[in-house]
Amino acid sequence: GAVVSQHPSWVICKSGTSVKIECRSLDFQATTMFWYRQFPKQSLMLMATSNEGSKATYEQGVEKDKFLINHASLTLSTLTVTSAHPEDSSFYICSAKTGPYSNQPQHFGDGTRLSIL
Amino acid sequence: QKEVEQNSGPLSVPEGAIASLNCTYSDRGSQSFFWYRQYSGKSPELIMSIYSNGDKEDGRFTAQLNKASQYVSLLIRDSQPSDSATYLCAVTLKTSYDKVIFGPGTSLSVIP
Repeated sequence: GAVVSQHPSWVICKSGTSVKIECRSLDFQATTMFWYRQFPKQSLMLMATSNEGSKATYEQGVEKDKFLINHASLTLSTLTVTSAHPEDSSFYICSAKTGPYSNQPQHFGDGTRLSIL
Repeated sequence: QKEVEQNSGPLSVPEGAIASLNCTYSDRGSQSFFWYRQYSGKSPELIMSIYSNGDKEDGRFTAQLNKASQYVSLLIRDSQPSDSATYLCAVTLKTSYDKVIFGPGTSLSVIP
C-alpha cells in the first residue's frame, strides 16, 4: 500500500520551456502532498506543501510564480516549472501522506530528473 | 544549530558487521521520527518509524529513540552490500505535524 507515482521520470528540454510534473497517490487519498528538490550530494529541500483544494504553502526562498503547484484532487498534485533555466536542473521528488497525523510517514514518488539545456 | 543533524560520513563497515547511524534534533517537541534509505539516483524509501522512547526492531533494523537526549539512531545488523546507500533521518516539527525536516544524510558503504 501507499504507492506514489510520479511522471515523467526524465525530462530534457530547452531553456525557456515550461515543464509539468505529476504526482499521484495510487491506492490512497492524499490531502497533503509535498514537493522536494535535491541537488547532487545534498539532502532533500522542501519546496512547498500542497493541500487539496487550496493554495500551496511555499518555503522561504522558493518562487511561487516560478514553481506553480496545483492540487486539484485527492490523488493528484502537479508542479509546473515555468520558463525553466539551466539552474532549475535538479531531481524533483514528490511525497504524500496517508493522513494528517504526525505519526503517518511520507511516501515518495520515484522522482523526476529535470535537465535544462 | 541545524534542526536535524546526522553523523558525517561516509561510513564504511565490512559485510556482516553492525552499522550504527546517529541523528540528533533540536525541536524538543518533535513526536515522530523516521529513517529513510536512498540509493544513488533514486528517491527515498521508508525503513522505520519510531514514536516512543526505547528500541523498535524490524528484521535487521533497530531504531532507538531517546527524547530526553533528542537522539535517534538506526542499527543495521548483519550488514549486506545491498545496504550501501544514504540514510536520511526525518523528524516532525512540533509546530507543523504535516512537515518533516530531513537531516543531511549519512552515506553507508558495506564492503564485501
